[in-house]
Amino acid sequence: GAVVSQHPSRVICKSGTSVKIECRSLDFQATTMFWYRQFPKQSLMLMATSNEGSKATYEQGVEKDKFLINHASLTLSTLTVTSAHPEDSSFYICSALGTSYNEQFFGPGTRLTVL
Amino acid sequence: GDSVTQMEGPVTLSEEAFLTINCTYTATGYPSLFWYVQYPGEGLQLLLKATKADDKGSNKGFEATYRKETTSFHLEKGSVQVSDSAVYFCALRYSGNQFYFGTGTSLTVIP
Repeated sequence: GAVVSQHPSRVICKSGTSVKIECRSLDFQATTMFWYRQFPKQSLMLMATSNEGSKATYEQGVEKDKFLINHASLTLSTLTVTSAHPEDSSFYICSALGTSYNEQFFGPGTRLTVL
Repeated sequence: GDSVTQMEGPVTLSEEAFLTINCTYTATGYPSLFWYVQYPGEGLQLLLKATKADDKGSNKGFEATYRKETTSFHLEKGSVQVSDSAVYFCALRYSGNQFYFGTGTSLTVIP
């Protein structure tokens, strides 16, 4: 089956630093990847949709200068949280839409803690 | 707009009890419906899905039927196990587009 990985699985950083999270489709090509954020005991909130080779589309209320998304290849998308603050602490999950699957597959998530 | 509403938790059941988690949706078109499960500290895993009205999705003893007339997709299992303890999310999606998730229902099964 299709596998999506995320790296790192957990990261702890100091306030003011930037953190990069990678999302990879391991055995399929993904033209579209989605980034979600999940607060404790709440549902997933879509942050942005990224298509390979073009700029990401951000949901209303998501700061695009703070959450930089790059989808440079058909197997890799990155989310960079710039100048992170404690309120950015959350669980970030990506999903990838396969070109031949017409199905989305979710990564295992990245737990970000900003001190 | 499109949305999903699912019953609030947490739900606590004894092992071998019957499980129902209600899910209703609002949609402008004809979406596919999904149930995802999230185990502690992990990402979402697809549990089952249904792509059109009257379809029944099933997996690992869980099942849900796509009811267009009641706009529902309730999750059921006849006999839960401790290993079923997790958070369950109902979701809808149109082809190729984003998911709309419910708020999740936490299930704890006690021996």
